[in-house]
Amino acid sequence: DIQMTQSPSAMSASVGDRVTITCRASQGINNRVIWFQQKAGKVPKRLIYGATSLQSGVPSRFSGSGSGTEFTLTISSLQPEDFATYYCLQVSSYPYTFGQGTKLEIK
Amino acid sequence: QLVESGGGLVKPGGSLRLACAVSGFSLSDHFIDWVRQAPGKGLEWVGRTRNRLYDYTTEYATSVRGRFIISRDASVSSVYLQMNSLQPEDTAVYYCLRVAKVDFGEWVDPWGQGTLVTVSS
Repeated sequence: DIQMTQSPSAMSASVGDRVTITCRASQGINNRVIWFQQKAGKVPKRLIYGATSLQSGVPSRFSGSGSGTEFTLTISSLQPEDFATYYCLQVSSYPYTFGQGTKLEIK
Repeated sequence: QLVESGGGLVKPGGSLRLACAVSGFSLSDHFIDWVRQAPGKGLEWVGRTRNRLYDYTTEYATSVRGRFIISRDASVSSVYLQMNSLQPEDTAVYYCLRVAKVDFGEWVDPWGQGTLVTVSS
């Protein structure tokens, strides 16, 4: 199975901060990554697909980068509604695997 | 729209069958995935049933392969997750999700509320 190692597992930040979350794949997966946001008590929501493409309706402060084994999700200027848990998912090969999640909390 | 049902309390070693009722699109034309989330934990992909073009073949997570079986019944527009030899670590909310017919089509639609499976003696 491909391991997706996500870091950090938790972090605190302030409104307006720039935040970067990283996922490292245990083998090359081209651009086969999707990022999700999950707010407390809610179901997940897709943010980024194909490592870099913004899902329709998602604010442009979210962006994704990377290819191969290293992927990042960046929030350029944190807003209060962005405090949530973020997950990466590899869809390169079966079984699909998620990162363990990054919980983003208010500082 | 996809609506999950069939969750409940089951003893370790027991079995349970979840259902996913589909409406608003052709089930035979779409892949359907199951994803689960244990209470307070992360997301885990469980498995997939492919569409008619791929003979409805299936894939499974390593943790459930050999215990879980995904099937579908087009006559009632439903997908099923048969779960056998259940263990406490299978306790989770289970979601069924449509894969859109585009590249990176995984789970574009809003997720449903899922169905909770609790494995406990």
